[in-house]
Amino acid sequence: DAKTTQPNSMESNEEEPVHLPCNHSTISGTDYIHWYRQLPSQGPEYVIHGLTSNVNNRMASLAIAEDRKSSTLILHRATLRDAAVYYCILRAPLSGTYKYIFGTGTRLKVLA
Amino acid sequence: DTEVTQTPKHLVMGMTNKKSLKCEQHMGHRAMYWYKQKAKKPPELMFVYSYEKLSINESVPSRFSPECPNSSLLNLHLHALQPEDSALYLCASSQADAGAKNIQYFGAGTRLSVL
Repeated sequence: DAKTTQPNSMESNEEEPVHLPCNHSTISGTDYIHWYRQLPSQGPEYVIHGLTSNVNNRMASLAIAEDRKSSTLILHRATLRDAAVYYCILRAPLSGTYKYIFGTGTRLKVLA
Repeated sequence: DTEVTQTPKHLVMGMTNKKSLKCEQHMGHRAMYWYKQKAKKPPELMFVYSYEKLSINESVPSRFSPECPNSSLLNLHLHALQPEDSALYLCASSQADAGAKNIQYFGAGTRLSVL
């Protein structure tokens, strides 16, 4: 399986941008890059995903390196509600369907 | 409605008990998933159902038995569990095709304690 690597934890000040990195050097051409976050006592929540091009939505932006071996999730203005564990995930084909390969996650702490 | 509902929210069971976890979605998704999550670890895939058929079993012990009675419902039957099986069990669903917009929606999970 392909693998993702993320820093264990990061801190940010409230209302400042946050850049969460992810390395996926063994990614294959058909693997999508997904980002989810998980708040305490909740299931993972979808944030954003992409294949090759940078992506923007109302929650965040995803910057994907040209060689696709790394990506960065960008929260433009962190709020206290953004404190969560952020998972970088590869969506890989398997047995006629596909599976999510989760990274170890980055715990984001937002300081007031 | 993008909700995946899991019941119960909490479950305590002895090692000789038989219990079931339930997951329901009404998004018309034809793929459903069971994950196991230990504390401070990422979710680990257990099973994948596609069009009500088991398509992936990630070498899960037979004391966990999944069932997909219809396209909206997914069960996980538990029997003779061990204390190390205590974890958060997450259900997810998605469209069954591998299209660009295909994402998984997760429930809040069932927190299981095995005594």
